[in-house]
Amino acid sequence: KAGVTQTPRYLIKTRGQQVTLSCSPISGHRSVSWYQQTPGQGLQFLFEYFSETQRNKGNFPGRFSGRQFSNSRSEMNVSTLELGDSALYLCASSSQPTGGNNEQFFGPGTRLTVL
Amino acid sequence: SQQGEEDPQALSIQEGENATMNCSYKTSINNLQWYRQNSGRGLVHLILIRSNEREKHSGRLRVTLDTSKKSSSLLITASRAADTASYFCAIIQGAQKLVFGQGTRLTINP
Repeated sequence: KAGVTQTPRYLIKTRGQQVTLSCSPISGHRSVSWYQQTPGQGLQFLFEYFSETQRNKGNFPGRFSGRQFSNSRSEMNVSTLELGDSALYLCASSSQPTGGNNEQFFGPGTRLTVL
Repeated sequence: SQQGEEDPQALSIQEGENATMNCSYKTSINNLQWYRQNSGRGLVHLILIRSNEREKHSGRLRVTLDTSKKSSSLLITASRAADTASYFCAIIQGAQKLVFGQGTRLTINP
């Protein structure tokens, strides 16, 4: 099976712009979670989608949003970008929703730089 | 707040030596997971240990879990240069989200 893919891999934006990141989970996986990783805050949970429904959301402002399509692919959007949004954004897929004894498979991440 | 806290934050050893890193957490758990991240890349799942398990092995990896002390350790035996990476423990918080510690940065010197 192909792994989790994320596009684009690298992105440079300027403050005030918006950005959309994409994640394609492993075939058959219906759970997609998003994480932000920065040197200062580490890995922080953004949100999780399962079968097109948002199950949980982390402590991020409303500028961060996401969605999941019927084929389980997911997108996250960040509007009105700030310098502090510069980070590695990681997507993870799983066969079941987070909470059970199932592992998450991570994609390579999208490196977002906000200038 | 981070639930899993790794110790040490950084570890540098010679190739062939064993590496031990620890993780402490605050809440009750169903399982605890360990992940590896090579520089700036995605995370790779290493081991999941359930709360009713005390020890688990996978190749050169050994994970222990002490729920009474709310702690876990990851031992990498006979380390190799390719083991150079950051290692994270993670627990489920609120039954719905995976919460990671800050990680241990392991460097294996040739």
